[in-house]
Order: sequence, then C-alpha cells, then structure tokens
Amino acid sequence: LAKTTQPISMDSYEGQEVNITCSHNNIATNDYITWYQQFPSQGPRFIIQGYKTKVTNEVASLFIPADRKSSTLSLPRVSLSDTAVYYCLVGTNDYKLSFGAGTTVTVRA
Amino acid sequence: DAGVIQSPRHEVTEMGQEVTLRCKLISGHNSLFWYRQTMMRGLELLIYFNNNVPIDDSGMPEDRFSAKMPNASFSTLKIQPSEPRDSAVYFCASSEAGASRSSEAFFGQGTRLTVV
Repeated sequence: LAKTTQPISMDSYEGQEVNITCSHNNIATNDYITWYQQFPSQGPRFIIQGYKTKVTNEVASLFIPADRKSSTLSLPRVSLSDTAVYYCLVGTNDYKLSFGAGTTVTVRA
Repeated sequence: DAGVIQSPRHEVTEMGQEVTLRCKLISGHNSLFWYRQTMMRGLELLIYFNNNVPIDDSGMPEDRFSAKMPNASFSTLKIQPSEPRDSAVYFCASSEAGASRSSEAFFGQGTRLTVV
C-alpha cells in the first residue's frame, strides 16, 4: 500500500487559498489519489479524486505532477466553514484505503 | 436518498454489556465498511463487506467484535462484552465499489459509544 505523508496542521485566513501537499513516493500504477474532508462530529466526506494532471470540481482542485509521487489539494478562498481535517488517500480498492492522521486546517477570521 | 444512516447516534453503556450498532446503506451500494475513530488511533478500518460477504475483517480488534450483513441494505456491529477501551466513534460507510478503481465512499454520521 502506498504510504502518504502530509502536514499535521495548517493555519489560514478567510479568503486565502490553502494548498495541502501530500507525498506518496511509492504510488502504484493503478492507484488513484483521493481526498476526504472531515468536520468535527461528522463522518469523512469525499472531496475529489484524480489519477494525473489536474482535476477541478466545485469544492477544490487537485494537482498531480507527471511522476505522481505527490499531489496538492487546493482550496480556493477558504471560509471559516472550511476548518476541518483533510485526508489524502492513495489506492486502488476502497477497502485498502487507509486514513492517516490527516491535515488539520484552521481558518481564522 | 437520505444517505448512510446509523443508529443510535449516541450510546452509553456499562462495561460488560452488549452493544449493537446499526447501519443502513445507500440503496444500490454493494460495499460496506465499519470504521472506528479515536483521538489516539485515528480512523481504523474494522471490516469490509462486498455484496453482503465479509472480505476483510483483519481490523476487528478481537472476538468480542462481530459484524453482519443480514441483507444488502443493512449491517450491524456488535460488541459483547463491551469494555471501556471500546469507547470511540464508530462510522459506517458504503460505496458502489468497482474492481478496477476506487470510488467515493459515503459515511454515516457515526455512533459515539461510551463504555463506563
């Protein structure tokens, strides 16, 4: 299983862009990169998934370089409600996806 | 669809008692996961079902824990007897898992279990 490394925490202010980089040096050819968001007292919520290059949806963008050994989740113009834990997961099959410690993002006014 | 529904939302029980947590999957989903979350250990996968069959239960802590899927839309996680160290938030998640790629897993709101 591909091991992931991401920062433990990040602080930001409202309106700023937040970029969280996840390292996954031993990613396999068939592995996808998936990000989840978890608010306090709630279950994790799928944000975005990608295989290579760039993926964008209404919530975030995911940038994946050609070597795929890392990925960056970009949250544009964050608000206080974006304060949450963000998890980077790498794998092929759902049940092999393991949630690490995640990155606690704190957005301040 | 109302999403993955877990019950109860909160459970407080005494050590030694049996605890049953319940989960209703999203209609049409064929994969079911039970996770446990604590501050110390984070989110841990306990067991994974696919098409009602347990595929991987290597995360189940010990024989006191058991999980079943009596039908395609419902699952239970039972702890008997419960111990204080079982106190955690238990999440159920479901997905339309395919064989070739990872798909989005939908999590329930969780059951906060406190064993005193």
